[in-house]
Parts: sequence; C-alpha cells; structure tokens
Amino acid sequence: KNQVEQSPQSLIILEGKNCTLQCNYTVSPFSNLRWYKQDTGRGPVSLTIMTFSENTKSNGRYTATLDADTKQSSLHITASQLSDSASYICVVSAGGSYIPTFGRGTSLIVHP
Amino acid sequence: EPEVTQTPSHQVTQMGQEVILRCVPISNHLYFYWYRQILGQKVEFLVSFYNNEISEKSEIFDDQFSVERPDGSNFTLKIRSTKLEDSAMYFCASRRTPDGSYEQYFGPGTRLTVT
Repeated sequence: KNQVEQSPQSLIILEGKNCTLQCNYTVSPFSNLRWYKQDTGRGPVSLTIMTFSENTKSNGRYTATLDADTKQSSLHITASQLSDSASYICVVSAGGSYIPTFGRGTSLIVHP
Repeated sequence: EPEVTQTPSHQVTQMGQEVILRCVPISNHLYFYWYRQILGQKVEFLVSFYNNEISEKSEIFDDQFSVERPDGSNFTLKIRSTKLEDSAMYFCASRRTPDGSYEQYFGPGTRLTVT
C-alpha cells in the first residue's frame, strides 16, 4: 500500500531560525514528489515539484531534497518568518496513475 | 494572477440532502480534480477529470458522488444523499495540459457541514 509519512508532526521555532521537515514514502513506482504549504482554512499551495532525476530544488527560502534510493525527501526552510506558520504537506504520485498519496503534514509554528 | 475559485465557501445541509459544490478552474487548464479533507486529517484524492470524463477516482468516490463540467468554465461535485461523514473541506484543483508541469492549483475550498 502506498504511504507517505511525515515528521515531525508539529514543530515550533523562533523567527529567523532554520528548520527541516522530513518525508518518507513507499509509493511505487515513483513519479513525482511535491511539497505544499497549507495555511489554516485554505487550499494547499505548491512549493516544489521533483521528479526522479532531481535531487534538489529551491523556491526562495524553501529547499527540497529528494533521495529516490532511500525514498526520503526533506524540506528546508531558512530564515523563518511568522508567515511560514502553516502545515507543510508532502505528496507523492506513482507512475501510471495520477492518484496522489498525501502525508498528514507537519504543523509549523513560528514564534516572534 | 489567475486562481481557482470555489462556491460556496461554507455549505450546511441536512443528512440525506443533495449538495452541489462549484468550482471555476483556471481558464487555460484542462485537468480538474476534487479532494476532501476531514477536519484534522490529511487531504484525500476523490476524482480527476479530463476531456469531459473521469480519468481516475478513489475508493471514496462511490455512486453517491458525481462530477460534471456543465459549461466551459464550471466544474461541479455533486453528492446525492449526504451523510454525516461527508462533512469535510472540499478542494477543487486544476492543472495545465501535460507539458511536463505537474503543478496543480488549489481553490480555497468549500466547507461542507452535514447535520
């Protein structure tokens, strides 16, 4: 069964600090992995998309890594801002089928 | 910047009633999706739609659910006889033609409350 596990479940950091969120998946065959940011009560917003051949992708202060061998991904946020407080969701899609598998998300709270 | 819109933002209905959730995808997008998120749980895929037909659907998308693109702009999700467990946030999303971009754009969601 395809699964996506994220850790930690929640994280509290101080403004200006860096943090790294983890995503492990068992989706096979792998097609692509996406990280989304979801503010409370809003729809997810795409941060990065990575295919099998990509191992790093950046979007401003967000940098995602992908290790297809170990089936792990991370999302690194640098110089956190109060507006980074949100849920960060890892989504993995299998080849041959669109149906994505969502992780439960990591709830990030940035304190001043 | 173009965006996906959804109406209504909040729908309250009684168990057994039919509801229609509406979405207006980004105008040059051809792939459309519905997802749901029960409060406190992860987002779940319901259905994908392309070229006026369902491409894929999940186990959640049973005979009580249907989707339609009644005109060139709207994309709807109908639940025929709502159950308490249908209470959730429903998100519509759209994507461009298959040009190598997998990015989807989500709408703000419709919160459905079944009483």
